[in-house]
Order: sequence, then C-alpha cells, then structure tokens
Amino acid sequence: AQKITQTQPGMFVQEKEAVTLDCTYDTSDQSYGLFWYKQPSSGEMIFLIYQGSYDEQNATEGRYSLNFQKARKSANLVISASQLGDSAMYFCAMRQGGNQAGTALIFGKGTTLSVSS
Amino acid sequence: NAGVMQNPRHLVRRRGQEARLRCSPMKGHSHVYWYRQLPEEGLKFMVYLQKENIIDESGMPKERFSAEFPKEGPSILRIQQVVRGDSAAYFCASSPGEGVEAFFGQGTRLTVV
Repeated sequence: AQKITQTQPGMFVQEKEAVTLDCTYDTSDQSYGLFWYKQPSSGEMIFLIYQGSYDEQNATEGRYSLNFQKARKSANLVISASQLGDSAMYFCAMRQGGNQAGTALIFGKGTTLSVSS
Repeated sequence: NAGVMQNPRHLVRRRGQEARLRCSPMKGHSHVYWYRQLPEEGLKFMVYLQKENIIDESGMPKERFSAEFPKEGPSILRIQQVVRGDSAAYFCASSPGEGVEAFFGQGTRLTVV
C-alpha cells in the first residue's frame, strides 16, 4: 500500500537559515510523483514543488529544492534562507503514475515549521 | 484566470441538517478531486470526478455523502444528516487532465454543532 511518512511534527529555524523537512514514502510502483504543499494559518493549500520518479535531477523552485533519494525512498524538502512568511504546515504527498491526472494524492500528516527572527 | 473557487468558506450546520459544498474548477479544467482534512491531519482523498461522471469514489463514506459534477455548473459535495464527526475542512482540487495537480481551492470549513 502507498504511504507517506513525515516524522517531524514540528521544526524550528531562525530567519535566513536553511531547513530540511523529511518525507519518506512507500510504493511498489515504478512510476509515481512526489509533491510538497504549504498550508499557512489561513488554510489554503499552496503547491511548492514536484518530482517525478524518473526525473534524474532534483527539482528546484526558487528557494525550494527537493532532495530525492530514490533508493532510500525519501523526498525531503529543503528551504534555503528561511523567511518569517515560511511559517506554516508543510505536507508531502505522492501520486501513482507520476504527473498524470486520474489518481488521487496521498498525503503525509504534515510538519509545522516555525521561523523566528 | 481565476483559481479554484470553493464556497462557502465557512459553513455551520446543526446535527441532522444537510451540507452542500461547491467547487468551481479553474477554467478549462474538467477533472475535480475532493479531499477532507481533519484537525491536525493531512488531506484524505474522497472522490474524483470528471464532467457528469464519478471516476473514483473509493474514499467516500458509503452513507450520507454524495458528489456530482454536472455538465454545467460547479461540482457539489453533499453531506446529508451531518454529524459532529463530519466537522472538517473540505478541499477541492482541479486539473486539466494532465500535468501537475497543483491547484487547490481555499477549502470549506464545516462545523457541525
């Protein structure tokens, strides 16, 4: 069965520091996609970054990068130069079949990130 | 290009009433997903619809819950005879049929009193 595990309920970091949010996944599929979403206190879900299982390069989007280690089945999110506005809940999610619609996302339980000045 | 629109943002219902949650996908998107988020939890898949068709409802409770996505108009998630355990945030996401499912609505927060 597919599963996403986020083992850090909460993380604390100072402004301008980098932080890594852990995510491990379990699937028997060869083709899958991994996503990270940010949920601020206002509640909306904001897409951050996507990594396909066949992508050889780690995905990057601005200050966000995804440290994809396929053999370890991990997809950690790295946020460089943290900002106060990064304080939020972060969810790792997986979809079978990679980038195609048709199957739903499976979410982890999330990690709360708190950035202090 | 407006994003995924959900309304209402907040909904309060008494036990036994019906709750109707609406989702208008992004323009050009014909695939809609509904998810439920309980407090302190991640989102859980409920149902996947395309226009006029339910494709996958494996995450929907068997009773009291139904969903539709008519040819015209928004997708509707209906919860009949609500109970306190239905209190949650309900999110809708849309996609054009391929590409990253990145577009979520802001959610509807249902409170059953």
